[in-house]
Amino acid sequence: DGGITQSPKYLFRKEGQNVTLSCEQNLNHDAMYWYRQDPGQGLRLIYYSQIVNDFQKGDIAEGYSVSREKKESFPLTVTSAQKNPTAFYLCASLSPGGGGTYNEQFFGPGTRLTVL
Amino acid sequence: AQSVTQLDSQVPVFEEAPVELRCNYSSSVSVYLFWYVQYPNQGLQLLLKYLSGSTLVKGINGFEAEFNKSQTSFHLRKPSVHISDTAEYFCAVSSKGDKIIFGKGTRLHILP
Repeated sequence: DGGITQSPKYLFRKEGQNVTLSCEQNLNHDAMYWYRQDPGQGLRLIYYSQIVNDFQKGDIAEGYSVSREKKESFPLTVTSAQKNPTAFYLCASLSPGGGGTYNEQFFGPGTRLTVL
Repeated sequence: AQSVTQLDSQVPVFEEAPVELRCNYSSSVSVYLFWYVQYPNQGLQLLLKYLSGSTLVKGINGFEAEFNKSQTSFHLRKPSVHISDTAEYFCAVSSKGDKIIFGKGTRLHILP
């Protein structure tokens, strides 16, 4: 079955440590996204990548970094510079929408990061 | 620029009662509209989508939504809710070739 996997599901880290969240997809989608979710705030876009070896900052990129060396993989690093990293992180990909048609977004199961 | 407003952050409803979750959007071009559902500690799952054609869209789990262009709304409805419908629901909008914009979500509480 095609889909998006995120690991681990729960992650605990000490304050001041960098941590990397994994996101892998086998949907053959070019575009991938990272969102942060906090209670009552909906989804906030951290970074997105429309193609391999290219990525752009979203609305709340400070304290985060990404890489896109392979089409299937889009890992997110939460650095020690992120002031309040405890949150639920969602990875997503976007269907191609060729010919100007609509794009549909597919989501992974999420990683809950808790910084102690 | 596009935007989405979900008018209620939380909606409590008794089991087996009907429910409507409201969504309004703004866009200067033709839009595609989506409703996603998120169960606790899970990712988002597509519930239904409006692309074109019939304004009444049926989705999974007995949900449906109606696209109203004049009122720029896409409200989600279910005639009889079940305890398993407890979740957060997100409305989203996009246009051709553009990224998807999400609302802030509505948390549906089912009361016994």
